[in-house]
This record gives sequence, C-alpha cells and structure tokens, in this order.
Amino acid sequence: DAGVIQSPRHEVTEMGQEVTLRCKPISGHNSLFWYRQTMMRGLELLIYFNNNVPIDDSGMPEDRFSAKMPNASFSTLKIQPSEPRDSAVYFCASNWVGGELFFGEGSRLTVL
Amino acid sequence: AQRVTQPEKLLSVFKGAPVELKCNYSYSGSPELFWYVQYSRQRLQLLLRHISRESIKGFTADLNKGETSFHLKKPFAQEEDSAMYYCALSGRGYSGAGSYQLTFGKGTKLSVIP
Repeated sequence: DAGVIQSPRHEVTEMGQEVTLRCKPISGHNSLFWYRQTMMRGLELLIYFNNNVPIDDSGMPEDRFSAKMPNASFSTLKIQPSEPRDSAVYFCASNWVGGELFFGEGSRLTVL
Repeated sequence: AQRVTQPEKLLSVFKGAPVELKCNYSYSGSPELFWYVQYSRQRLQLLLRHISRESIKGFTADLNKGETSFHLKKPFAQEEDSAMYYCALSGRGYSGAGSYQLTFGKGTKLSVIP
C-alpha cells in the first residue's frame, strides 16, 4: 500500500478563494482524521470520520471549513472563503480502530 | 477532557548526551500514550506506544500514572535524532463508533548539536 495519499502537496492561493484538500486513506482503514499543524498551536484535530460518518467536528474552526467522506477511499477538506490565518500544513491520517495512526505527507497551504 | 502538555518547545543537546523529552497528560480514564516523530519535511510516524514497552531507535518511554507523565528518553543522542517529537494520548470516543481519537501535545523540537 502506498500509504495515506494527500493532494495537493503545496497550495498557494489568494484570500477569498476556495481551497479543496484531498485525502485517500489506507485501504481497509475505517477511521480518517484531519489535522492542522501550525507553529503556534502544534497539531490540532479538526474532524474525524468513522466508517465514513463524521464523529467529532468540534475542532473545525469556523463555518468556512467543511469536510466530507463520500466513500471509504476518499475525503475532502474545503475552506471557503480562505483567509491568511488558514495558512498551515493540513494532515490526513487513517487507522483501523485502536491501531496505529498513519499520516499522509501533508498539504502545505499558503493563503496570501 | 483529555490534554497533553509538552513544556519544552525546543530542546538542544550535544551529540552523545542524554535526552529527555517531557510529556504530561490529563485524562480521567485509562489512557494509551504514544510518541510520534516528524523528521524534517516528512510525515509524522509512530515512534513508540506505551503498551508495547519496547525501545525504538534507542528511545524508551515509561508511563507513570502517579505523575501522569510519559517522558521520552534516550541515553546517548545522535545527530539523526534531530526532529519534532509529539506526545499523544488516545481516549476512546464515547460516540459509540469505537474510534480512538488522538490528542497531541504541541511538540518539542529536538536539536542535536554535533
């Protein structure tokens, strides 16, 4: 397995634009997590899914953020409209319940 | 609520010196503790978990429930140990989904000086 795959690896956009980050979890994993990493706040859990169902989205900062998981092999994190303070590295991770959490390589977002 | 505290943002040690990365946690139940490592511009990866009680790359960590700590230690630091280290705690979500939700500390950047 290629591991958790995220795209794009880098995204530079202007304030106000829509940003969509994508994630393909490891096949067979039933939980998927979105994290945001910044220097100031470290790793923050934004939302996680179990069996494609959102379980806890309390970490989603604002209504500008939304996440979907239409099937077991794909998830998106969308920011609309984007703001400079959204600049961060966004990680997707997946696991089987109770198992090791595997991370993707991250999507580095810069909002100008 | 579960919380993980890593008091040091940056830790610099000389090669060959002992290393201790501190981690304290707050959790009402019986937690599972982990250390994750992130080398420069790479993905986070699991270093070790307390239930395994193993040594990985010379690192060990012991869960001290009395002090609610899970410090990461290595007797002799190597240059290749320079990385970002995250302590994480898993508490079972009570939503019924049974998924383990990891809460991370803010991380400690370890810099090993040659």
